[in-house]
Amino acid sequence: DAKTTQPPSMDCAEGRAANLPCNHSTISGNEYVYWYRQIHSQGPQYIIHGLKNNETNEMASLIITEDRKSSTLILPHATLRDTAVYYCIVRDSNNAGNMLTFGGGTRLMVKP
Amino acid sequence: NAGVTQTPKFRILKIGQSMTLQCAQDMNHNYMYWYRQDPGMGLKLIYYSVGAGITDKGEVPNGYNVSRSTTEDFPLRLELAAPSQTSVYFCASSYKEWNTGELFFGEGSRLTVL
Repeated sequence: DAKTTQPPSMDCAEGRAANLPCNHSTISGNEYVYWYRQIHSQGPQYIIHGLKNNETNEMASLIITEDRKSSTLILPHATLRDTAVYYCIVRDSNNAGNMLTFGGGTRLMVKP
Repeated sequence: NAGVTQTPKFRILKIGQSMTLQCAQDMNHNYMYWYRQDPGMGLKLIYYSVGAGITDKGEVPNGYNVSRSTTEDFPLRLELAAPSQTSVYFCASSYKEWNTGELFFGEGSRLTVL
């Protein structure tokens, strides 16, 4: 599975959009991009995933560049409860066992 | 549905002791996983299972054993506990047909080895 690079930490003002970048320059054609978050040492929580098209759900939007070498997770109106570590993960769709490999993630601090 | 249930939530062990972390899921998931997370770090895969009777090693299996006798349960056994095994352990599960891309995690078991 391709590796990802994320900034170790970011701040965001409450009510503003939080844009979390992820670089995955070695991604291959059948690898998906997944985003999870972990709030205060709880178990990680799925947010969204995509292959090449932009995706949106009730939690966030995922923007993937045309060359698929990077992506951005957007939380449109960040709240204090969005303070968490956000993990960007790239996984091969043919990965037997559905395992995910977690890196260091980005620690997002939403401030009042 | 209770989801993924882990017990115990907290445990302190002495060096050399053994114990089993329990994990159960009631979602009829085929796949189950054990991860560990050291302070300030990401999760590392210890073992996983794609169905009853089938287990396989992940990234950091040394010092651990697992079994999968039923679809619901996936216990993690620590033999001869060492301080390096002080960590938070997360169990997770997923459908075999993974269209949603979602792993369902338990709340974690915090283990300290002294």
